[in-house]
Formats: sequence, C-alpha cells, structure tokens
Amino acid sequence: AQKVTQAQTEISVVEKEDVTLDCVYETRDTTYYLFWYKQPPSGELVFLIRRNSFDEQNEISGRYSWNFQKSTSSFNFTITASQVVDSAVYFCALSEARENGGSNYKLTFGKGTLLTVNP
Amino acid sequence: DGGITQSPKYLFRKEGQNVTLSCEQNLNHDAMYWYRQDPGQGLRLIYYSQIVNDFQKGDIAEGYSVSREKKESFPLTVTSAQKNPTAFYLCASSKRTVSNQPQHFGDGTRLSIL
Repeated sequence: AQKVTQAQTEISVVEKEDVTLDCVYETRDTTYYLFWYKQPPSGELVFLIRRNSFDEQNEISGRYSWNFQKSTSSFNFTITASQVVDSAVYFCALSEARENGGSNYKLTFGKGTLLTVNP
Repeated sequence: DGGITQSPKYLFRKEGQNVTLSCEQNLNHDAMYWYRQDPGQGLRLIYYSQIVNDFQKGDIAEGYSVSREKKESFPLTVTSAQKNPTAFYLCASSKRTVSNQPQHFGDGTRLSIL
C-alpha cells in the first residue's frame, strides 16, 4: 500500500530564513508520481510540482526547490529566503501508475506541514 | 478564468438532514473528485468520477452520495447516515483519472453541525 509521511507537523521560521519540508513515501511500484500542494488560509489547494519516479533531477522554480532521492524514498521541498506569503499548509502526495481495476488515479496525501513565516 | 467553483463556502446541517455541496468546473476536465479534510489530517477521497454518468467510491464513501449528470458538475450529498459530517470538503478535477495528471482544487466548503 502507498503511504506518505510528513513528519514535521508545524514549522515556524523568521522571514528570509531557508526552510525545508520533508516528505518520505512508501510504494511497491517502480513507476509513480509525486506532488506538492500548498494550502493557504483561504483553503484551496494549489498545485506546485509533479515529479515522476524516473526523473531524479532536482528542480528549482524561483525560491522553491525540490530534492528527489529514490534511495531514501524522499521528496523534500525547500523554500529559500522565506516570505510571510509562504505561510500555509504544504502537502506531499503520491500516485502509483499501476493498473488496478481502474484505480490508477489514486492520490495519497501526507498529513501536511503547517509553515508559519513570521515577519 | 477557468477554475473550480464550490458553494456554499459555509454550510450548517441539522440532525437528520441531508445537505448538498455544489462543485462546478469550466476546465473541460473529464475527471472529478470529492475529498474530506479533517483538522491536522491529509485529504481522504470520498468519491470520484471519470466520465458523465459514472462514479466510483473512494476510501470513505459511507454516508455520502454523488451524481454526475453533466461534465461540469459533480454535487456531493452528505446524508443523515454520515454521523460525523463536520469537516472541510474539497472538490477537484483533472484531465483524466490517470496518476500523472495534477488535480486542481476548488476553495472548499466548510460543513458544521447545528
């Protein structure tokens, strides 16, 4: 069964600090996809990134970067020079690509990490 | 702009009452989903639909019902059989129900018991 663990329940930093959100996943499949979503106080989930299991290249998008390491089953997310607007709950999610009675859609979420960036 | 609209934003349910949460999308997505979020928890899948007139149970379907009569609309009914309905409900859609397609979410409906 697939599982996503975000061990950090809450993180609090001061503006301009760098912060890393951890995500560890479990899956039996060799083909799978990993996602990060941001949930600001308004409630909607905002899609940030998708990564497939065959692409271990790290990715950078502005102040955001992602470190995917299959050897440790981790897909960590780093915010550089954090800002107050980064305050939100961040979810890591996993989807397996196996065919299983049509259930290859299934997205399993971690419990989320609440990030608070203080001015 | 394209997106997903959920209404109402807040909803209150009396004992023994059924309530319906609305979800409309204009993204021309085939697949739609309903999730439940409880405090400090991740999202749990209630129902999903791949095409019009078809839907499947997710992990926690008991006490809920859905319909998919139009591609744009996927309403969720919380029935009186759902004994603990207080939660934040999120609707999502994606191009297809395949694992590499990101799901796009609405703003959510917060349901409480009166």
